[in-house]
Amino acid sequence: GAVVSQHPSRVICKSGTSVKIECRSLDFQATTMFWYRQFPKQSLMLMATSNEGSKATYEQGVEKDKFLINHASLTLSTLTVTSAHPEDSSFYICSARRDSGSSHFGPGTRLLVL
Amino acid sequence: TQLLEQSPQFLSIQEGENLTVYCNSSSVFSSLQWYRQEPGEGPVLLVTVVTGGEVKKLKRLTFQFGDARKDSSLHITAAQPGDTGLYLCALRMKTSYDKVIFGPGTSLSVIP
Repeated sequence: GAVVSQHPSRVICKSGTSVKIECRSLDFQATTMFWYRQFPKQSLMLMATSNEGSKATYEQGVEKDKFLINHASLTLSTLTVTSAHPEDSSFYICSARRDSGSSHFGPGTRLLVL
Repeated sequence: TQLLEQSPQFLSIQEGENLTVYCNSSSVFSSLQWYRQEPGEGPVLLVTVVTGGEVKKLKRLTFQFGDARKDSSLHITAAQPGDTGLYLCALRMKTSYDKVIFGPGTSLSVIP
């Protein structure tokens, strides 16, 4: 069964609103989680590394004030897309890292901004 | 600049045909991973190759790591429609929280 879940699986919002996406590790604790974005017919691009109890580390070119990450517990990381615009429409995927170093990917969240 | 390159970018073949996709880099890596992603889902790890020259088989899929550990290939024998998906090679960056960096992917379509 799935070991990483995401909620919601799909979300449609109006331009200018904020959207929160949750990533949960279901049967293990994850000190580190990762957030990716994937546009149609493209690969996954790493956005940021989320560490429990500390600030996230963002990849070059990713706006930290637009994509707020909170890793408040060892099983939950959230990504909030603030003031979303149509160009933020994408498939957002998280992964959770086990102590062994291996990562499990979530099923993704499809965001559509109108 | 991309750490990894993949070819071909797109591939459409008939059921029963064989195919090979490639992953290349100018750098040497300690290991390399292959994932498959189906539309609307997260990627699923297929294999990790570690040793130069290593060959791993997963049913009809054969993975090879180049001798110099700078390239890898994935060969599928007698492709089936269920093999359709995006095939991604990736690096696990052990010095950066084990973050996984993906190549651009090969989109495979197997036509019945």
